[in-house]
Amino acid sequence: KNQVEQSPQSLIILEGKNCTLQCNYTVSPFSNLRWYKQDTGRGPVSLTIMTFSENTKSNGRYTATLDADTKQSSLHITASQLSDSASYICVVSAEEYGNKLVFGAGTILRVKS
Amino acid sequence: DAGITQSPRYKITETGRQVTLMCHQTWSHSYMFWYRQDLGHGLRLIYYSAAADITDKGEVPDGYVVSRSKTENFPLTLESATRSQTSVYFCASSEPTSLRSNEKLFFGSGTQLSVL
Repeated sequence: KNQVEQSPQSLIILEGKNCTLQCNYTVSPFSNLRWYKQDTGRGPVSLTIMTFSENTKSNGRYTATLDADTKQSSLHITASQLSDSASYICVVSAEEYGNKLVFGAGTILRVKS
Repeated sequence: DAGITQSPRYKITETGRQVTLMCHQTWSHSYMFWYRQDLGHGLRLIYYSAAADITDKGEVPDGYVVSRSKTENFPLTLESATRSQTSVYFCASSEPTSLRSNEKLFFGSGTQLSVL
């Protein structure tokens, strides 16, 4: 069973709309939780990094939230743009395994005009 | 990012052949990593290196060999390629380390490898 589960697997939204991507994890204890954006044919790029004590972290139109009690994180994208079309990957740093990074499979977002 | 480059971008090979994927970074980061990305799966760590001449196994090291004679280079070799090694391979670097801190990982653009 994957220790980091993301939902939905894919999502299509209209340009200008908001959306929220979900990440549920079972990794515990953890050091930090990260969100990456991966454009097609490119490597992942870091969006946010949150420690277990942080509830929210923003990067422009991207806002990540973290609930360590329920082991859930979300990535909210505001006023989506065509350039937001990408895969969004949730990553948890697992203290138990020497802070190994555990990657989710990603959510593929497509923004339509 | 321009600071970490991978080559080749695409590679097609046959089973049993030896293949080397190259990774070069210009930031002098201490840590470098190799991941593979397969459809429907998260990235999985193959090998990592904490510094020149120091390497360690990740989650899926079987069938792969790495070396790090210089800080800036971290080649990955498939000694005898198998079809199951068809994947997209990503190299990444970090300073001092993302394994124990909140440091970012910087990824290359990837090498798409097909083993026929």
